[in-house]
Amino acid sequence: NAGVTQTPKFQVLKTGQSMTLQCAQDMNHNSMYWYRQDPGMGLRLIYYSASEGTTDKGEVPNGYNVSRLNKREFSLRLESAAPSQTSVYFCASSEDQGRFSTTGYTFGSGTRLTVV
Amino acid sequence: AQKITQTQPGMFVQEKEAVTLDCTYDTSDPSYGLFWYKQPSSGEMIFLIYQGSYDQQNATEGRYSLNFQKARKSANLVISASQLGDSAMYFCAMREANQAGTALIFGKGTTLSVSS
Repeated sequence: NAGVTQTPKFQVLKTGQSMTLQCAQDMNHNSMYWYRQDPGMGLRLIYYSASEGTTDKGEVPNGYNVSRLNKREFSLRLESAAPSQTSVYFCASSEDQGRFSTTGYTFGSGTRLTVV
Repeated sequence: AQKITQTQPGMFVQEKEAVTLDCTYDTSDPSYGLFWYKQPSSGEMIFLIYQGSYDQQNATEGRYSLNFQKARKSANLVISASQLGDSAMYFCAMREANQAGTALIFGKGTTLSVSS
């Protein structure tokens, strides 16, 4: 099925460990995003990539790095995980063509990350 | 200052009743889009409805309608004839500007509970 695929779905890390969350979309969308969702906080933007080869910081970028590997893939890396990074992470994509898409984003199913 | 404000942490409604979920927004950009998403307990993000800042009429999608009051910067979601399956978290979101290099800003969400 067409859409956004995130891996893994669940992960437990120890403080200080590193990991990369993978995201791939097969809809030929230009723009991709990483959000984190915490209870009572809604979704907060970590990083986004408006097009292949570009990335920009969002509201909460500290402690994360991203790579837009190609048009399909946008990965999120935690270099040294901290308990404050325990969250649900969502990847999304959108079909922006100059103007933002009025059909919103297509979201992945999320990665539930726990840092102990 | 918050760009998107959802003041109702939780709402309760009985089946077949209508319910309004509040959303106010803050922007100085004359061109923007407003979106509503549903997140059921399974966790996926489902796009419901879109309203553009220049749209003259309120958006409707089946049982969902958006009560757009531009002067008040309000974009309330109205769900008519509530169903048990409407029980979920609902997020209001906004995207500013006519360019791809921006991202959706989300409110903190409202949990809707529908009872029989």
